[in-house]
Amino acid sequence: DAGVIQSPRHEVTEMGQEVTLRCKPISGHNSLFWYRQTMMRGLELLIYFNNNVPIDDSGMPEDRFSAKMPNASFSTLKIQPSEPRDSAVYFCASGDFGTFSRDGNQPQHFGDGTRLSIL
Amino acid sequence: DAKTTQPTSMDCAEGRAANLPCNHSTISGNEYVYWYRQIHSQGPQYIIHGLKNNETNEMASLIITEDRKSSTLILPHATLRDTAVYYCIVTLSDKLIFGTGTRLQVFP
Repeated sequence: DAGVIQSPRHEVTEMGQEVTLRCKPISGHNSLFWYRQTMMRGLELLIYFNNNVPIDDSGMPEDRFSAKMPNASFSTLKIQPSEPRDSAVYFCASGDFGTFSRDGNQPQHFGDGTRLSIL
Repeated sequence: DAKTTQPTSMDCAEGRAANLPCNHSTISGNEYVYWYRQIHSQGPQYIIHGLKNNETNEMASLIITEDRKSSTLILPHATLRDTAVYYCIVTLSDKLIFGTGTRLQVFP
C-alpha cells in the first residue's frame, strides 16, 4: 500500500524562482495537510484541505505561498517568488477524516518531505 | 487546543522501558491525546492516541491520568531504532499543532 508520495525529494533553486512542491495523498483519504519544518520554528501547519476544499490556511506565511488541490489524488504547494528564508523541509500528510467519531480522528500519514534550499 | 509540556530530552538503555511524560493541564473534556514521533529526516509517524482510558497497540502504551491532566507514553522494550523526537499533541479537531517534543536517545 503506497504511502503519501512527495516530489521532488530535494530542490535547490535561486532566490526569485518559482518553486512547486507536489503531493499525492493515500488513495481514499479525504484530508490533506501541508507542513513546514525548520530548526528555528519547528513543525508548522501551513494549510489543510478536506474533500479538496481549503479549510484553514491561517498558517500560510504570506501571499507568496499558494496551495491547490485540483482533485483527490494531487496537491501542489507553490512559492513565487522564493526567498532564502523559505528554505525548509516541507511535509505533506493525508488522513481519512469525516464526522468526529467516538474513537477520535484517524491518524495523519506523512510523506518523506521535500528538502528545499533557496540560494 | 490545549497546550502540552514535555521534557526536552531523555535517555534510555536499549531493552529497557522508555517512559515519556506529557503535561496537558488545560485539556478539555473532548480533546484527545495523540503521540507522534519523528525519526531523523523522516516524516512524523503516528504512534497512539486516547481520550480517557489507557490504550495499547503494537508500538506502545498510553497511560492517561484520571484527571486527564497528564499522560505517559511507554515504549516497553526500547531499541536503537526508537531514537527519535516524540510529540504529544492534544486536539479536538483534524489539526495537529506540534510543539518541540522530547528527544529520546536510546543507547546500547
